[in-house]
Amino acid sequence: DGGITQSPKYLFRKEGQNVTLSCEQNLNHDAMYWYRQDPGQGLRLIYYSQIVNDFQKGDIAEGYSVSREKKESFPLTVTSAQKNPTAFYLCASSISQSYNEQFFGPGTRLTVL
Amino acid sequence: GENVEQHPSTLSVQEGDSAVIKCTYSDSASNYFPWYKQELGKRPQLIIDIRSNVGEKKDQRIAVTLNKTAKHFSLHITETQPEDSAVYFCAATVKAAGNKLTFGGGTRVLVKP
Repeated sequence: DGGITQSPKYLFRKEGQNVTLSCEQNLNHDAMYWYRQDPGQGLRLIYYSQIVNDFQKGDIAEGYSVSREKKESFPLTVTSAQKNPTAFYLCASSISQSYNEQFFGPGTRLTVL
Repeated sequence: GENVEQHPSTLSVQEGDSAVIKCTYSDSASNYFPWYKQELGKRPQLIIDIRSNVGEKKDQRIAVTLNKTAKHFSLHITETQPEDSAVYFCAATVKAAGNKLTFGGGTRVLVKP
């Protein structure tokens, strides 16, 4: 479980502010993913990256941005354009896009005040 | 895109009884079906998975079955114990679609002692 980490664990943001959530992995995985989880619901894909310097939009990308400058890091920025950002954010990684098992980080709980 | 439906949304069982959770998927090209267990406030943990070339897989008290023709798969937990209480998610993915997981809405399982 220590192979993929997220910080901070809890994050509070005022309306209109951008915030960046950190995701780091030391598993040497090529593929990384960001999911959003709302109370009582399943996980929805925000963005994913199959290789360094490349990423694609998931199902709910509006109001979010990502970068993949290093293999081990895939930060997610929640912008002020995201209308309802309060949620639990989970990062995951897998060996490659061809290897299906995804390992999850511990999550960041974002609350907009 | 892929759509995954999961039933029931809540399931209460007596300790020692069996629990069954069912999922259906829409994309016939889906070829990998993981099940995750998530305890309150924690990360999802993979408990079992099945690939499209297999009809059934068992791991101790947990089993998963897949019916490709009907496009549904199920999780079976036998001899339930209080520590099985959690939220369970099914998911489906298509390798050709970048290994993106589409999740069901989750089933909250409560095992009563």
